Amino acid sequence: EVQLVQSGAEVKKPGESLKISCKGSGYSFTSYWIGWVRQMPGKGLEWMGIIYPGDSDTRYSPSFQGQVTISADKSISTAYLQWSSLKASDTAMYYCARKEVGATTVNYFDYWGQGTLVTVSS
Amino acid sequence: DIQMTQSPSAMSASVGDRVTITCRASQGISNYLAWFQQKPGKVPKRLIYAASSLQSGVPSRFSGSGSGTEFTLTISSLQPEDFATYYCLQHNSYPPTFGGGTKVEIK
Repeated sequence: EVQLVQSGAEVKKPGESLKISCKGSGYSFTSYWIGWVRQMPGKGLEWMGIIYPGDSDTRYSPSFQGQVTISADKSISTAYLQWSSLKASDTAMYYCARKEVGATTVNYFDYWGQGTLVTVSS
Repeated sequence: DIQMTQSPSAMSASVGDRVTITCRASQGISNYLAWFQQKPGKVPKRLIYAASSLQSGVPSRFSGSGSGTEFTLTISSLQPEDFATYYCLQHNSYPPTFGGGTKVEIK
């Protein structure tokens, strides 16, 4: 069974750092990219960026470039999303989802993690 | 970036109604479009991929159509469990972009 299991909810203060995770199982981890999606409270879905765990090739949305870092460790089938200095405006639910390898694939975000709620408050 | 304009942003409908949601792309995206359903407090779920292919396990009352710049998601007979927010996603070019969402509420 394909699963993407994310780390648990976090409560942080502004200026703190944070790294959340997404662990894949039930499939070949290096046959898929892992993407990250933000959903701010009461708002829509925003594509943040994506990483290929095989070689750590990473693409960012211009809106998130420089604001977050996406990484992966293929040895433990896990992708990460991290912040070096959180802001209150980073408060949101963050989802990971997978995309099949291949430039022309139509298999985009077929499986999602359960989400990680990040709350940033002083 | 390609802009995805989704309409309507919200609608009220009754059980049994035929519902149509539209996404328009600011430039051509071929058929690189997916539709997702999200219920309150739940994870988004893919309904349609490649603009018109039904995700396994999704009821056949859901269908997608379109190519290029205009796409539709149709629910042929709305059921109580279909009240949710629906999003389109284009993945033809970076960065992929979601539509703003359509909230389908009970009339």
